[in-house]
Amino acid sequence: DAGVIQSPRHEVTEMGQEVTLRCKPISGHNSLFWYRQTMMRGLELLIYFNNNVPIDDSGMPEDRFSAKMPNASFSTLKIQPSEPRDSAVYFCASSLRRKETQYFGPGTRLLVL
Amino acid sequence: QQQVKQSPQSLIVQKGGISIINCAYENTAFDYFPWYQQFPGKGPALLIAIRPDVSEKKEGRFTISFNKSAKQFSLHIMDSQPGDSATYFCAPVVGGGNTPLVFGKGTRLSVIA
Repeated sequence: DAGVIQSPRHEVTEMGQEVTLRCKPISGHNSLFWYRQTMMRGLELLIYFNNNVPIDDSGMPEDRFSAKMPNASFSTLKIQPSEPRDSAVYFCASSLRRKETQYFGPGTRLLVL
Repeated sequence: QQQVKQSPQSLIVQKGGISIINCAYENTAFDYFPWYQQFPGKGPALLIAIRPDVSEKKEGRFTISFNKSAKQFSLHIMDSQPGDSATYFCAPVVGGGNTPLVFGKGTRLSVIA
């Protein structure tokens, strides 16, 4: 049974470029979360969706970040333009209705030069 | 505001010893108290969790102790093994599922032979 799938696994880009991270949640899960992990700030929530609807995006750093969930099986996190301080590991997680356990993908390691 | 304070930041334990990691929280609305385990290059994965109606939960070598009045919960790893070497996060949650985890800063555990 496939878990949460994220792509790409690694991304190296130059400052100012657009970056798109992708996530496929576990089939049947109705909540999707985007987290970012850095050494300085640890794991922090960026945004989450319930039933494809964004519920809380207060963790999105600034307008350069945007996220969409066009259907139950796909979500994107976009950074435009990217900056070196965006370098981090970005995780997508999903959970089943009314269940607290979240299942994390392997993460996308982003390096902005 | 740091809602969750985890300690210690790092821990070195001899094989066969007991590892203890603590988590203090402020938000009394938290009602689910999990510990997540993360290996290098992987996403966090649920290890064990407890609800506030019990004071202790044991699963194999892993035990959660919960002190509601002190607003603290801890993870105990008995007979620690090198394979337990990972980063551990407490991540309490508000609400009955489909809500974000609030992560502690993490504890890097190294179990040495």
